Amino acid sequence: EADIYQTPRYLVIGTGKKITLECSQTMGHDKMYWYQQDPGMELHLIHYSYGVNSTEKGDLSSESTVSRIRTEHFPLTLESARPSHTSQYLCASSESGGSSPLHFGNGTRLTVT
Amino acid sequence: AQKITQTQPGMFVQEKEAVTLDCTYDTSDQSYGLFWYKQPSSGEMIFLIYQGSYDEQNATEGRYSLNFQKARKSANLVISASQLGDSAMYFCAMREGPLYGNNRLAFGKGNQVVVIP
Repeated sequence: EADIYQTPRYLVIGTGKKITLECSQTMGHDKMYWYQQDPGMELHLIHYSYGVNSTEKGDLSSESTVSRIRTEHFPLTLESARPSHTSQYLCASSESGGSSPLHFGNGTRLTVT
Repeated sequence: AQKITQTQPGMFVQEKEAVTLDCTYDTSDQSYGLFWYKQPSSGEMIFLIYQGSYDEQNATEGRYSLNFQKARKSANLVISASQLGDSAMYFCAMREGPLYGNNRLAFGKGNQVVVIP
């Protein structure tokens, strides 16, 4: 069973605030990902990491940044939140094999007012 | 360009009936993988089934099976004996490139399924 945790589950915050969305996994997976999903829409990859100190931007341009200092932890930061950042953010991790599925957290629903 | 296409409108299916969800994909790679995920209204993404491009047999996982037609670039999900708990959005996703390269997935727009008693 996958163990990947995201906090907070819901976040409502004002424009201009700095926020960090937390993501942790206990499976020792090297690969971790952040996806953004608007309601009823597809998921878009915004960041991924192949291991400690390795981060890359995904297919969808994002003003967020990520860090990977520890294997189990992959936080996402928005320096100055805007209403356009309102969305659901899903964190995932996987083993290294290409047939390995992504295991997702429950997501953070972010609303910027 | 859209790599995964899911164009069916929302579907209503009778409990205990089977339902087929369409997925077509676009890739020039010989090695790729196809995944299906379920997303209930609670929002989590649940992995259902995987098909590799070199797999000769269609994947099956309990009530889920994948109708893989490589030449047509389609990977339709079949859910047999639908249950009320199957009501959800279903996403098809693809990994491109070598098997031991990346695991980045590109997702389709999803199919909405509502199971009615």
